Amino acid sequence: EAQVTQNPRYLITVTGKKLTVTCSQNMNHEYMSWYRQDPGLGLRQIYYSMNVEVTDKGDVPEGYKVSRKEKRNFPLILESPSPNQTSLYFCASSFPDAPLHFGNGTRLTVT
Amino acid sequence: AQSVAQPEDQVNVAEGNPLTVKCTYSVSGNPYLFWYVQYPNRGLQFLLKYITGDNLVKGSYGFEAEFNKSQTSFHLKKPSALVSDSALYFCAVRDIPPSRGGSYIPTFGRGTSLIVHP
Repeated sequence: EAQVTQNPRYLITVTGKKLTVTCSQNMNHEYMSWYRQDPGLGLRQIYYSMNVEVTDKGDVPEGYKVSRKEKRNFPLILESPSPNQTSLYFCASSFPDAPLHFGNGTRLTVT
Repeated sequence: AQSVAQPEDQVNVAEGNPLTVKCTYSVSGNPYLFWYVQYPNRGLQFLLKYITGDNLVKGSYGFEAEFNKSQTSFHLKKPSALVSDSALYFCAVRDIPPSRGGSYIPTFGRGTSLIVHP
């Protein structure tokens, strides 16, 4: 089944404790992206990648890192999480010009 | 710069009535337009897209959208709403692809919550 898989679905952590949210897609998509969804703000792009080893900042990259060592994986790294990074995170992927496929989301709480 | 506006935070409609969820956009050049739906505790799912061709686009679950270039709008419609259509709807615009001088990067609206009452 074609899908974007994010893990974990739920994560509660404390300020400053490094964490990684994994994202994997099995559709051989070139484009991958991370979004955060906050009430009243809609979806905001954090980082995106147009192919292996090619990444770029989105609208809200501060406090986040990404890497794209393999085509299928695009992990999101929070080196030192803060409470303002409490949010719902989505990974998405697609072929050029095609609609995005989204994962089911990761709800992160930073206390 | 590209942008998308969804002017209504919430739309309420009775089951069986027609529904419209509004979207207007701003983009240089010709737009690639999308509608996505988000059900509770799920990621966004693609509903339909407009890239070129007929202004009326048909998509999943009986939804359709009308592209209006003069009004820069791409409103989502359905002739007869179902309670199960209740969800959060996002409009998105993407400019022309890299092969034609643009980028992949889509811009999403803030979302409209559709509530269909029995």
